[in-house]
Amino acid sequence: DGGITQSPKYLFRKEGQNVTLSCEQNLNHDAMYWYRQDPGQGLRLIYYSQIVNDFQKGDIAEGYSVSREKKESFPLTVTSAQKNPTAFYLCASSRDSGWAEQYFGPGTRLTVT
Amino acid sequence: AQTVTQSQPEMSVQEAETVTLSCTYDTSESNYYLFWYKQPPSRQMILVIRQEAYKQQNATENRFSVNFQKAAKSFSLKISDSQLGDTAMYFCAFMKGRETSGSRLTFGEGTQLTVNP
Repeated sequence: DGGITQSPKYLFRKEGQNVTLSCEQNLNHDAMYWYRQDPGQGLRLIYYSQIVNDFQKGDIAEGYSVSREKKESFPLTVTSAQKNPTAFYLCASSRDSGWAEQYFGPGTRLTVT
Repeated sequence: AQTVTQSQPEMSVQEAETVTLSCTYDTSESNYYLFWYKQPPSRQMILVIRQEAYKQQNATENRFSVNFQKAAKSFSLKISDSQLGDTAMYFCAFMKGRETSGSRLTFGEGTQLTVNP
């Protein structure tokens, strides 16, 4: 089945460690996105990529990094520089960078202690 | 920069009744799209309905319809014949028209809707 997978569903890390969240899609979508969701807040855009080997910062990129080496994959690294990393992270993709619907993955809950 | 505001953090409705969720936005763009997304307890984001700003006709998808007031920058969602499965967090979202810098969704804070039996 076509869709977006994020793994793992729950992730626990110690403070000071970098951690990479996985996002894979088999929809043949060009554009991919990472959002962060905190309680009582809507989703906020971290990074997005319109094409392989290219990506742009979103509204809250500090403390995060991404890569886009393959069309299907857009991993997000939460670095130790991110002051409040505990959150729910959602990955999305769309057919292109126009108005096309964004399809979301199931999300990863990251807890840093 | 665009902003999206949902002023109702929580709402409840009885099964089979109608409920309206409010959303206002602020933008200087003339070409844009508005969306309502649903996030049930599973936390999977699901697109409910989409409205193109250049269309005067309000979008409708089965029991879901919108009231789009462009001059007032208002975009409310009406759910008719509410069902228990409609219980979810609902997010209003804004997207600029096609641009070279990519499609960025700006979300509101969300409204938690509970449908009571």
